[in-house]
Amino acid sequence: GIQVEQSPPDLILQEGANSTLRCNFSDSVNNLQWFHQNPWGQLINLFYIPSGTKQNGRLSATTVATERYSLLYISSSQTTDSGVYFCAVGGGGGATNKLIFGTGTLLAVQP
Amino acid sequence: DGGITQSPKYLFRKEGQNVTLSCEQNLNHDAMYWYRQDPGQGLRLIYYSQIVNDFQKGDIAEGYSVSREKKESFPLTVTSAQKNPTAFYLCASSSRTFGANVLTFGAGSRLTVL
Repeated sequence: GIQVEQSPPDLILQEGANSTLRCNFSDSVNNLQWFHQNPWGQLINLFYIPSGTKQNGRLSATTVATERYSLLYISSSQTTDSGVYFCAVGGGGGATNKLIFGTGTLLAVQP
Repeated sequence: DGGITQSPKYLFRKEGQNVTLSCEQNLNHDAMYWYRQDPGQGLRLIYYSQIVNDFQKGDIAEGYSVSREKKESFPLTVTSAQKNPTAFYLCASSSRTFGANVLTFGAGSRLTVL
């Protein structure tokens, strides 16, 4: 099956700093989503981005499907950005409704 | 407000007992999913259902059972056959946005086996 690797595993930032999170995947995909899990466990869908670039406020994401990676950019980070960021992918020959999750990047934003 | 409701939030059970976790959605989504999350790890798929009265095993279905009698509801039973049931359980549903399934999650249920 598809392998998903996220980096870095942990990241500590000062408020106001920028960061880039990476997701590598081992096969072609037709579904890629980024999620944020807050410290209470709630997962929020940030982007559906199987290819191309999208922006939503201080967050943006880019997926280069031909090179099998996706990047999540966080600009001017705030303490509320803390939590775990997951990349999830689907497709590549499997059922498109099965998403494979990476192990996440744990982000801590300090005031 | 549309969303996914999971209950209970916290649950304790003794070894050998079955327990059922509830998941209800009012988003009119066709597909529903159950994921398990262990500390420091990603989510692993237990079961999913694309339509009423139909469901498929995910990657770690052993020791779990589900039903899908109504579009809005997808309860998960953790049976005594599940060897290590202590975990955080997340229910999700999806709409086919842009031809793919975009997931919305509930707040989760934390199960502890004593």
